[in-house]
Amino acid sequence: DIQMTQSPSTLSASVGDRVTITCRASQSISSWLAWYQQKPGKAPNLLIYKASSLESGVPSRFSGSGSGTEFTLTISSLQPDDFATYYCQQHNSYPVTFGQGTRLDIK
Amino acid sequence: QVQLQQSGPGLVKPSQTLSLTCAISGDSVSSNSAAWNWIRQSPSRGLEWLGRTYYRSKWYNDYAVSVKSRININPDTSKNQFSLQMNSVTPEDTAVYYCARERWELRGAFDIWGHGTMVTVSS
Repeated sequence: DIQMTQSPSTLSASVGDRVTITCRASQSISSWLAWYQQKPGKAPNLLIYKASSLESGVPSRFSGSGSGTEFTLTISSLQPDDFATYYCQQHNSYPVTFGQGTRLDIK
Repeated sequence: QVQLQQSGPGLVKPSQTLSLTCAISGDSVSSNSAAWNWIRQSPSRGLEWLGRTYYRSKWYNDYAVSVKSRININPDTSKNQFSLQMNSVTPEDTAVYYCARERWELRGAFDIWGHGTMVTVSS
């Protein structure tokens, strides 16, 4: 199975900050990388798929980039609603696999 | 607006069978442009894909190797829903279980999720 590793595990930031989360795959997954946001007690919510495609309804302050084995999720200007846990997921091949998550806290 | 409504027991005894159902509204389990998945989440294992069912002129299933010998995912076209059955459960199967839609163009990413069912395996 393809292993997905996110960094950092925890990130503290303030409203208005620009933040970046990194995800690395154990082998090339081309551009088949998705990002999700999850809030406590809720299901994950798809933000980005195929590395940089923004899912419908997701604010444009979220963006994704990368290919091969290294990917990033950037939030250009943090809003109060953005404090949550973020997961990457490779959707290049089955079984699809997820990163361990990055918790974004208020500084 | 597509919604997935999960149902099933929250407590299962060890060695017994876990059964969950996911009712679909706003889409069809027989859709040629979607697949229907089960995913679970626990502190020890994180998010773990379990399997899927989909229809492309006939029904297909894919399962994670880790649970393949113990699970079945079945569509029910009469009720527009799909189900997960996992037998011989142990406390390690304690997790929040989600059903999720995979829009075909997303190729393995999940755009609609159920609300989740916390399943505890305990006597």
